[in-house]
Amino acid sequence: GAGVSQSPSNKVTEKGKDVELRCDPISGHTALYWYRQRLGQGLEFLIYFQGNSAPDKSGLPSDRFSAERTGESVSTLTIQRTQQEDSAVYLCASSPDGRANEKLFFGSGTQLSVL
Amino acid sequence: AQKVTQAQTEISVVEKEDVTLDCVYETRDTTYYLFWYKQPPSGELVFLIRRNSFDEQNEISGRYSWNFQKSTSSFNFTITASQVVDSAVYFCALSPHGSGNTGKLIFGQGTTLQVKP
Repeated sequence: GAGVSQSPSNKVTEKGKDVELRCDPISGHTALYWYRQRLGQGLEFLIYFQGNSAPDKSGLPSDRFSAERTGESVSTLTIQRTQQEDSAVYLCASSPDGRANEKLFFGSGTQLSVL
Repeated sequence: AQKVTQAQTEISVVEKEDVTLDCVYETRDTTYYLFWYKQPPSGELVFLIRRNSFDEQNEISGRYSWNFQKSTSSFNFTITASQVVDSAVYFCALSPHGSGNTGKLIFGQGTTLQVKP
């Protein structure tokens, strides 16, 4: 597609439920990143994919969080047994090769609200 | 440690005023890249500028200018003659080359700029 696409744009769930957030990067971009943005705060790095592999998962806050990428394209971020502190905007970004000097292209995010 | 600090949480100006957004960074890497992104109310971060650590030349793009000073580890952003459309959250970010050269960005907390008519 023309840009990074994320779905759903909004997700409201009950505490304890599992949620899946989807990211479609720009076609041909090998690098994909997930970030979390809590209300009024900066972006926290969660995980980085190069192709279908995740060489850096250092930002995942707990084992309730997992992510996968298939076909060097779509990525899914899964949060199990959601907690209220998981409420945030989850942003996905992609870049052509994942080099340090590349700008990231961001999606509009998924606003997750855990009641 | 790798860190970006944007000490100004919120700034409010009146249209046509000049405004400077501060950014201070920390890294032990000799090669690194600095970025500014704009996040309008729609939520999607928009790339504004990238500098590498070897290029301290200041840059001007229309009403926007950036002042990179390695001696003070700062990369400040100035908007001249601000407009209401400049209202957004602005993020400064660091990409250390030595961290596996992955393109992973370390973001500051962001500065919310409100430009009033």
